[in-house]
Amino acid sequence: EIVLTQSPGTLSLSPGERATLSCRASQSLTSSFLAWYQQKPGQAPRLLIYGASSRATGIPDRFSGSGSGTDFTLTISRLEPEDFAVYYCQQYGSSPLTFGQGTKVEIK
Amino acid sequence: EVQLVESGGGLVQPGGSLRLSCAASGFTFSSYWMHWVRQAPGKGLVWVARIKSDGSYTNYADSVKGRFTISRDNAKNTLYLQMNTLRADDTAVYYCAREDWGGDYFDYWGQGTLVTVSS
Repeated sequence: EIVLTQSPGTLSLSPGERATLSCRASQSLTSSFLAWYQQKPGQAPRLLIYGASSRATGIPDRFSGSGSGTDFTLTISRLEPEDFAVYYCQQYGSSPLTFGQGTKVEIK
Repeated sequence: EVQLVESGGGLVQPGGSLRLSCAASGFTFSSYWMHWVRQAPGKGLVWVARIKSDGSYTNYADSVKGRFTISRDNAKNTLYLQMNTLRADDTAVYYCAREDWGGDYFDYWGQGTLVTVSS
């Protein structure tokens, strides 16, 4: 099973600042099969990024993904008030599908 | 508009059974693989099970293998999760999710249904 480790656990930032979230895999991911999701309290997750760097439909371009192999990054270029949430990475290169433990982006 | 609506959650005693349903609309349900993902209170997301578009293949997380069964009725546009021999650590919000055609990631999710296993 591929273990995904996200860091930091919590990121305290102000609106307008840049957020950089990390996701490290215990094994190299096949063809960068990594996705990112955003989850707000009481809501279902929302797909942001797939294939490590492709934005999902309707996702603003302030969200970007990068990385390959075992190290991946989600960057939010300028935080908007609605971006404060928990973010999860997910690998889909091998079974079982696994998620990271999440990074909470909170208002400083 | 794609919609996934789960139902069937509730309180059940340890060792009991429950069947969750996920009603799909707004897309050709029979063309998509579907999944169940769960989230224990205050915890992260955990993949549970998947089923092929025609129902001919299923796959489970080790933690539920032999206890849970995923199935679907394409005529009714409905996904199911039969959960038997429930344990306290099965307590979670259960989401159904549609797999994108590009890979085993999830482009649409339901709102979730809460399953609580407690005596």
